[in-house]
Amino acid sequence: QVQLHESGPGLVKPSETLSLTCTVSGYSISTSYYWGWIRQPPGKGLEWIGSMYHSGSTYYSPSLRSRVTILVATSKNQFSLKLSSVTAADTAVYYCAREGLYDSGNYYMDVWGKGTTVTVSS
Amino acid sequence: QLVLTQSPSASASLGASVKLTCTLSSGHNSYAIAWHQQQPEKGPRYLMKVNSDGSHTKGDGIPDRFSGSSSGAERYLTISSLQSEDEADYYCQTWGTAVRVFGGGTKLTVL
Repeated sequence: QVQLHESGPGLVKPSETLSLTCTVSGYSISTSYYWGWIRQPPGKGLEWIGSMYHSGSTYYSPSLRSRVTILVATSKNQFSLKLSSVTAADTAVYYCAREGLYDSGNYYMDVWGKGTTVTVSS
Repeated sequence: QLVLTQSPSASASLGASVKLTCTLSSGHNSYAIAWHQQQPEKGPRYLMKVNSDGSHTKGDGIPDRFSGSSSGAERYLTISSLQSEDEADYYCQTWGTAVRVFGGGTKLTVL
């Protein structure tokens, strides 16, 4: 059974870099699927941040592209999110998720982590 | 531009049926979408993928009460025999090669 778990600091200061890790169990991230990050500001809807394939291929939301980096650590079966120059508007619950099979043409999130809350505040 | 539109809210009575709608932007009628459920204070859960021809593929353990269908640019999620635990936010999601898009979500109230 595939499980995803987000971890990282719950509090980040404005202008600093938010760093989160998604640890995957029950499936190797080095095979077949895309993996992604999604966030949800308090009281609002879901927002896609970006997606990656283990080969290093990445896609980012146009609105966040200048500040986002998604990296993979295949030896640890993890992938990470870095969001630079954060402001209060980046306060949200951050989720990682498994997406579709590479080259399948189907890129929907079929397994979600439980999410981690990040607050941006001094 | 690939955009999904959902009504902000819906309501239906316990035991009744409800049909939620997700509308694809102009020019994207052939796109499939996925439905996700988010119960209060929980993370999202994948429900099903709905194709443009109305066929759908559900996630593991999703009850038969949940079904999907399509008409033109609209994709539907129908929930029958509504239960209290179906009160949740429902999001549709679609994708392109280099993009993923969520609708704004529909808050379903079970009366």
